[in-house]
Amino acid sequence: DGGITQSPKYLFRKEGQNVTLSCEQNLNHDAMYWYRQDPGQGLRLIYYSQIVNDFQKGDIAEGYSVSREKKESFPLTVTSAQKNPTAFYLCASSRSRDRVKRTEAFFGQGTRLTVV
Amino acid sequence: GEDVEQSLFLSVREGDSSVINCTYTDSSSTYLYWYKQEPGAGLQLLTYIFSNMDMKQDQRLTVLLNKKDKHLSLRIADTQTGDSAIYFCAERTAGAGSYQLTFGKGTKLSVIP
Repeated sequence: DGGITQSPKYLFRKEGQNVTLSCEQNLNHDAMYWYRQDPGQGLRLIYYSQIVNDFQKGDIAEGYSVSREKKESFPLTVTSAQKNPTAFYLCASSRSRDRVKRTEAFFGQGTRLTVV
Repeated sequence: GEDVEQSLFLSVREGDSSVINCTYTDSSSTYLYWYKQEPGAGLQLLTYIFSNMDMKQDQRLTVLLNKKDKHLSLRIADTQTGDSAIYFCAERTAGAGSYQLTFGKGTKLSVIP
């Protein structure tokens, strides 16, 4: 079964700790994305990567870091510098940045992070 | 202002039609999408429309695109309780040498039995 998998589904973190959210896809997609979702805010782009070993900041990158060492994997680290990390985090992937292709994104099931 | 705008809430009775509206700003958008999110889950692609089309129908779903007004709508016929979810409109926008999806804030559809 091809898809995109996020883990864990629920995550609790103490203030001041870093935590890493996992995202893996076996769709052979080039591009991967991390979004943050807060109630009434919709989806906000944190980081995205169009190719292995390269990534760009999205709209709200402060306090987050990512890596893209493998095509299949795009982990997100929420650092202690992120002042309000409690949110629902969604990972997505898409096939290509080719202009003529649809490039719709496929989403994981999300990770709910709570700071305690 | 927001790049993609949607009303936040819509309530309909079971069996009625639902119409969810969206406006976008990037006139160069080539694809526009509708995603559905059920509680505690990720987003599921419902349908998409290419910018040179006015309408697309897929079973109970009808997408209308008014490119002049940059207005997109999703009509769900014979709305069922299982259609209760948040619906996101998204446009594909061009960044610095790449393409991204820009999402609206989502419309929460509540279906009254």
